[in-house]
Amino acid sequence: SQTIHQWPATLVQPVGSPLSLECTVEGTSNPNLYWYRQAAGRGLQLLFYSVGIGQISSEVPQNLSASRPQDRQFILSSKKLLLSDSSFYLCAWSVQEGTEAFFGQGTRLTVV
Amino acid sequence: AQKITQTQPGMFVQEKEAVTLDCTYDTSDPSYGLFWYKQPSSGEMIFLIYQGSYDQQNATEGRYSLNFQKARKSANLVISASQLGDSAMYFCAMCFRDNYGQNFVFGPGTRLSVLP
Repeated sequence: SQTIHQWPATLVQPVGSPLSLECTVEGTSNPNLYWYRQAAGRGLQLLFYSVGIGQISSEVPQNLSASRPQDRQFILSSKKLLLSDSSFYLCAWSVQEGTEAFFGQGTRLTVV
Repeated sequence: AQKITQTQPGMFVQEKEAVTLDCTYDTSDPSYGLFWYKQPSSGEMIFLIYQGSYDQQNATEGRYSLNFQKARKSANLVISASQLGDSAMYFCAMCFRDNYGQNFVFGPGTRLSVLP
């Protein structure tokens, strides 16, 4: 069966420090991969999505970037974190021609 | 452009009663999918139910059913026999194909509180 792993679950980082959040999917190949951000009590904002290795669509200009170095690995990065980057980040995957998206456990990032 | 609207920021329901969470959507694509997700306080997003735009019958999954009215562009979630564990945020979402691939758009969510 397919599973999605996202880590770390929580992270506290100082302003100006770099960021790397990793997401991996098991049990499927060539998935669509997504990074969402969710402010407290709000809906999901799509940040990036990828349909294949090295193919990234950026939905919103951010202090963030994404990379897909392997088929089932999706990384969210920042060179210098801002206070406004504090949020809940969710990774998700879907089958290319499928239906629902499946989500990771999320990473709660606090920038101090 | 695709858009999901959930007009109820918060809802209360008595335990064991049924509740309907509203969702309307906007798209010009003939093919799309509609979903509901549950997000408890732990933050994980739990897939509940799916309705395809060409499905003739309303989707059902246990205590969850989706009241799909295509002409009205609505996809309301009905939870029967509410339980205390149903207290959570609920998100309506739609998948569609854009120039790049399969994409999803989410509504702002409805916070459901089940009262004992």
